[in-house]
Amino acid sequence: GQNIDQPTEMTATEGAIVQINCTYQTSGFNGLFWYQQHAGEAPTFLSYNVLDGLEEKGRFSSFLSRSKGYSYLLLKELQMKDSASYLCAVRGGDYKLSFGAGTTVTVRA
Amino acid sequence: DVKVTQSSRYLVKRTGEKVFLECVQDMDHENMFWYRQDPGLGLRLIYFSYDVKMKEKGDIPEGYSVSREKKERFSLILESASTNQTSMYLCASIPLVQGAYNQPQHFGDGTRLSIL
Repeated sequence: GQNIDQPTEMTATEGAIVQINCTYQTSGFNGLFWYQQHAGEAPTFLSYNVLDGLEEKGRFSSFLSRSKGYSYLLLKELQMKDSASYLCAVRGGDYKLSFGAGTTVTVRA
Repeated sequence: DVKVTQSSRYLVKRTGEKVFLECVQDMDHENMFWYRQDPGLGLRLIYFSYDVKMKEKGDIPEGYSVSREKKERFSLILESASTNQTSMYLCASIPLVQGAYNQPQHFGDGTRLSIL
């Protein structure tokens, strides 16, 4: 089975940094994805990690530790448009994804 | 650019009706998926398909069926709609590239279905 946990909500100030943690217990592992989903819209792909370490993409970075079953998404220099839900998803032994419940990030001025 | 289109953004149906949700992708992807998304539960996989006329159950298939007669179209069917099937339904697709697990799923905008 798959078990993926992430916090329900986080609030931060514009210009600040927020770290969204994700822990997982899965049967089989072929990578971890982060998606962003604005209210009423489709999830959009942010990052993919399959090896341990940090992947940086502009203001967003994602980290993975396979031995600990742990990942985080780091959002730097927060902007109002970053207010959204962030979904952690693990790919098992095939093309299916198992999703966490999502973390709603609210950015305040 | 990748495009996954769901036929309706909002849909209201009555209990007991047979409901069809349609999804079309224009990327010639082999794999297609149907999810439902509920607050606090995240996305849960209902059914998926690896190719035309092929289908496999996901985590919550009860009360649903699917049809994949053409590669670009994947339909979700609620055989007899019930109020607990009120939800946001999302379709996704991904190409079949052997060993390329870094391919992200591409999602449609979703159908918000209300069963009264």
